[in-house]
Amino acid sequence: KQEVTQIPAALSVPEGENLVLNCSFTDSAIYNLQWFRQDPGKGLTSLLLIQSSQREQTSGRLNASLDKSSGRSTLYIAASQPGDSATYLCAVFYGNNRLAFGKGNQVVVIP
Amino acid sequence: DGGITQSPKYLFRKEGQNVTLSCEQNLNHDAMYWYRQDPGQGLRLIYYSQIVNDFQKGDIAEGYSVSREKKESFPLTVTSAQKNPTAFYLCASDGGTEAFFGQGTRLTVV
Repeated sequence: KQEVTQIPAALSVPEGENLVLNCSFTDSAIYNLQWFRQDPGKGLTSLLLIQSSQREQTSGRLNASLDKSSGRSTLYIAASQPGDSATYLCAVFYGNNRLAFGKGNQVVVIP
Repeated sequence: DGGITQSPKYLFRKEGQNVTLSCEQNLNHDAMYWYRQDPGQGLRLIYYSQIVNDFQKGDIAEGYSVSREKKESFPLTVTSAQKNPTAFYLCASDGGTEAFFGQGTRLTVV
């Protein structure tokens, strides 16, 4: 069974600092990894999708890396802003159309 | 605009009642999913469907039922057998490479 772990569970940073969020998975036989953002009481918004053949993806201030062999992905958010405060979830695609999620990294950016 | 629509946004259920949550997608995706989210917990898979007229139980299917009569629709029924149904329910679809989510339905038992 695929298990996804996100560390740290929660963190607070002052505005302007870079954020580093970690995601690890137990079975390296994945075919995609996707990072989502969730605001309180809302659905999930896709941030970045990394296919298994890729090492990283970038979108604006966001950069996500993938190391399949070690079962890890890292989401970097540069120059954090109060609007980045949210929960960030990592999901891996594996097996026959199965998705496994971590419990999320809850981020607070302090103005 | 393509996407996933969940309705209603808020739902209240009396004990002993069945309620049905709606999920519709116009992304032409074959795979659809229902997840439950509780405070401080991750997403837990209830049911998923990879094709019309077929669906499989997820990790917490007891007390729930689904149907998939049309490609674009995957309704979830929370039955009276579900002992603790108060939660946030999320529907998702997947075209084989990327997942998309609806905005969720918050179900409360009163």
